[in-house]
Parts: sequence; structure tokens; C-alpha cells
Amino acid sequence: QLQLQESGPGLVKPSETLSLTCTVSGGSISSSNYYWDWIRQPPGKGLEWIATIFYSGTTYYNPSLKSRVIISVDTSKNQFSLKLTSVTAADTAVYYCAERRYSILPGGEGAYWYFGLWGRGTLVTVSS
Amino acid sequence: DIQMTQSPSSLSASVGDRVTITCRASESISSYLNWYQQNPGKAPKLLIFAASSLQSGVPSRFSGSGSGTDFTLTISSLQPEDFATYYCQESYSMPWTFGQGTKVEIK
Repeated sequence: QLQLQESGPGLVKPSETLSLTCTVSGGSISSSNYYWDWIRQPPGKGLEWIATIFYSGTTYYNPSLKSRVIISVDTSKNQFSLKLTSVTAADTAVYYCAERRYSILPGGEGAYWYFGLWGRGTLVTVSS
Repeated sequence: DIQMTQSPSSLSASVGDRVTITCRASESISSYLNWYQQNPGKAPKLLIFAASSLQSGVPSRFSGSGSGTDFTLTISSLQPEDFATYYCQESYSMPWTFGQGTKVEIK
């Protein structure tokens, strides 16, 4: 059964780089059935999608964060990673990694994508 | 970006009540709409995808409907474990966006 686990520092100083890794277990990150995503949630607030990557290295970013974000994949370790540069207090959040998959439905219009499985999340606080 | 607006932001209900949550998209997204449930301190969990398809393992008291810009999530008979926050999410175009959430509280 597929599982995802985030790891990385829980405290980052302002202006520094936030680095997180998501380890995929119970399945291969090289599956053509999934994309791999990062999503964050500031304390007490809603969800914000950050970026996605396919095992081949194809990436898409949220334009609101694109200038500061890099998402990468390491298929040999079954991991994907997030780097967010020049962080401020506004980047304090629980960061989730998630697997995004699709279904094709009879009579449907195409592939319906959704976040099928999430990691437990890791709180990253930006503070000096 | 597509803006997703949920209503209400919160509601109080009793066990056994029928509960309906609404999600409106700022433009037509056909049936590219997902619903998630989030319990405090936990990751979101997929309930419904493609507006009305029930995720495997999700109780049948949950149902979704709608297309275009207006969608609803209905819980037919609220159970104690359903008190949580619910989010809609569009999967029509990137960047994927979520509604602001609806918190379902015990009355």
C-alpha cells in the first residue's frame, strides 16, 4: 500500500531556503499513473497547491510561488523534494506531499485528476 | 486562476442531520471538482472526485453533485466522525485551487 512521508527541518530562518523531501513507500515513484505534488496549509487557514512533478522530470508550478520554488525527483531513492527560497513568516505552514492520480469515467470528458493520497504533513516555521 | 468559493464557511448540525455544502467556481469547470475531508491535525482525505464519484472506502452517506460552476456535497445523515472541515478543489486547470473550507461543528 502506497505511503508518503515528509521530512525536513521544522524551523527555517527568514531569507533562507526551506528544503523538504517526500519518501514514497509501497510503490514506485516511476509509475506512469501518478504525479507527485506539494501542497501547504498555513496554521488555521486553507490549502494552497505549490507544485507538481512527473517521474520523468516534467514540472508545473503555482505562478504565485514559481520564482522561489524548485521541485525535483530522485527515482533511485523513490523520493521527490521541494525547495523554497527566500522564505518569510508567510511561508510558515504545514507542508504536505501528495500523490495525484486520475480516473477515466464512462461518458466522461477525459482524465479526472485528484489528490488520492497525502502524507501526514510537516510543520515548517519561519522564524529567527 | 480559478477562484473557488464555499458556503457556508461554518455550520452547526446534530448527529443524524442532512448537511449540504456548496462550492462555486469563478468559471465553468465542467465536472472537474473534488471534495476532501480534513480532521484537526490530520491530512485531507479524498471523498469525491469528478463531482459525483465516490472514492473507494468512503461511506455512501456522502454524495456530490453539480457541473459547470455550482457544486454540492451532501452528507445524508451526519455521524460523529463527520465533524470536520471540508474543502472543494478544481482539477480543470492549473494552478489547482481549493475553496476556503467549510467547518462542520456539533450543535
